Amino acid sequence: DARVTQTPRHKVTEMGQEVTMRCQPILGHNTVFWYRQTMMQGLELLAYFRNRAPLDDSGMPKDRFSAEMPDATLATLKIQPSEPRDSAVYFCASALDRAEQYFGPGTRLTVT
Amino acid sequence: GNSVTQMEGPVTLSEEAFLTINCTYTATGYPSLFWYVQYPGEGLQLLLKATKADDKGSNKGFEATYRKETTSFHLEKGSVQVSDSAVYFCALSGYNTDKLIFGTGTRLQVFP
Repeated sequence: DARVTQTPRHKVTEMGQEVTMRCQPILGHNTVFWYRQTMMQGLELLAYFRNRAPLDDSGMPKDRFSAEMPDATLATLKIQPSEPRDSAVYFCASALDRAEQYFGPGTRLTVT
Repeated sequence: GNSVTQMEGPVTLSEEAFLTINCTYTATGYPSLFWYVQYPGEGLQLLLKATKADDKGSNKGFEATYRKETTSFHLEKGSVQVSDSAVYFCALSGYNTDKLIFGTGTRLQVFP
């Protein structure tokens, strides 16, 4: 049963610390999305990649957020420095080209 | 720009009741429409989709019909179960784009 995996599932950190979230897309999927879910804003697309190349990161605060795909089996989302307003659930999703997106279980981030 | 509006929740129903969750959209061109479901502590799962006007998507007893004349994609189920308790998201993707735009989500609570 192929699934998107995300680590860590939960992260509590202090303001100013670096946070790295990881995502393993489904094997064979070439498109990876990063979303953020908050009560106030709902689900927002932060960035996405196809064949490891960034296609759109317009939803991501550029000054503190960065997203990369070091290889086809790993996507990372970093926040440096983290702020309390970054507290949210971060979802990764993968797809084969423009087919259905499969979501991971999310990383719940709390910044104190 | 493109947007999705869905009814506020929570929707509270007794088991075997009829369910409707309203969703309307604004989009240029001919978007594809989706319903996703999020169970507690999990990522989103695609429930059903429709890619052109008058298409009906269906899955697990849920149905939604793409109505271009009313720009709507309402979710219905004839008889809900306790296990249907979750948050339901309406979403669209514009023509020739990968991006999903989500509504704010509607929480459904079904009681025995």
